Parts: sequence; structure tokens; C-alpha cells
Amino acid sequence: QSVLAQPPSASGTPGQRVTISCSGSRFNIGSHEVYWYQQLPGTAPILLIYNDNQRPSGVPDRFSGSRSGASASLAISGLQSEDEADYFCAAWDASLSGVVFGGGTKLTVL
Amino acid sequence: EVQLVQSGAEVKKPGESLRISCKGSGYDFTIFWISWVRQMPGKGLEWLGRIDPSDSYTTYSPSFQGRVTISTDNSISTAYLQWSSLKASDTAIYYCARRGDAHLDYWGQGTPVTVSS
Repeated sequence: QSVLAQPPSASGTPGQRVTISCSGSRFNIGSHEVYWYQQLPGTAPILLIYNDNQRPSGVPDRFSGSRSGASASLAISGLQSEDEADYFCAAWDASLSGVVFGGGTKLTVL
Repeated sequence: EVQLVQSGAEVKKPGESLRISCKGSGYDFTIFWISWVRQMPGKGLEWLGRIDPSDSYTTYSPSFQGRVTISTDNSISTAYLQWSSLKASDTAIYYCARRGDAHLDYWGQGTPVTVSS
């Protein structure tokens, strides 16, 4: 049982916009920035979004993040086949004094 | 270019000890914390703990406290994750990542660990 809750799966067709939610508590998302990671099959995770809504250099602007209260979301617009991957949210948790992750959302491009 | 390069796959028996490594390059190794993250087969990511290479201060997730030990050798810019007595449930891929908070900006390629009798 992960501290942050994500839907296990999401899907969309090429060109569509999809969103992935991440729900936490006042100890994590409610008081700390949210980060999103993309994990392509068989590879290490990479940082996709930092500080709720910032993109590292090289990440397409099709990816965007937002946070409100104790929830956050990742939006992917103009969905492409290469976006098929697992997506994880993460935040610092003050009650655990550590990093907590969501269980991950497997995105399928139909 | 910042890189974290991890040691290779390991196959061990229950009760054996193990140390895996993560070598940093392309930046001042002592400035950034190193975190370790576990991914069990087909599962999500779990944060094990972190170390500040500048003073070897470590913190662990309550779930892993006492089960693993994190250390560094700054002379070779390398962080370590070690077990004194492995269990089958330690079978997973272990990643090192730069930084000690949720902003894990660079990741190693992962070290698969298999524990089986």
C-alpha cells in the first residue's frame, strides 16, 4: 500500500490528452512539492516534472504538472506512442521524514 | 555530464551478505546527497534512505531501518548499499539517485539483486 494514491492504469489514443492523479495528505503533498517520474519498460526512472510544474531541460512541453491541496496531477497532451510507460508521483513526507512514492500508473497508448 | 554508474547484477543465497555500489561522475560528489530506491519485481518504487557524502550523515525509511546500511567512499566518489543477511524478499532492482529529497534528478541504471536458495 503506497502512501500516495495513483490509479493503476490510464489510456488514450494518439493526440489525446490524458491526466494522471496523485492523492496524498497534509504531511506530504499538502505541504511539499510534487515530483513526477517516467519509467520506460526495462529502464531506470527519469525525472519528468519537479517542483509541482517545472520541466527539466529536454522534457517536451506536452508534459505538465499541477498541485492543489493534498492532490496533484500530471497531464500529457498530444499523446504519442513513445509516452507508453509507468508514471510515478513522489513527495517528501514530514511524518515519515522520507520520500514517498505513488504506486505508479501504467499508461497505454491505444 | 552527470552520471551514476552502478555495479552489476548479483545472485545470492539467503543469509549471505552483499554490498552494491554507485559511482558518481561529472559533478562534485560531496555536494549532493545520494538516495537508494527499491523496485520489487513488477512493483512500484520505494525509498530506502539517503546519505550526505560530506559528513556521512544517513537517514532511513522506517521500513528499512536496520535492514540495510548506506555508506560512501568519497575518495572514489562511490556510494554503497549493503545487507548483512539477505532474505528472498530482498529480490529487487536497486537504484541509486542523486539528492536526498523527492527531487531525484539523476538515476543509476539499477542493480538487479536475486536472492534464492
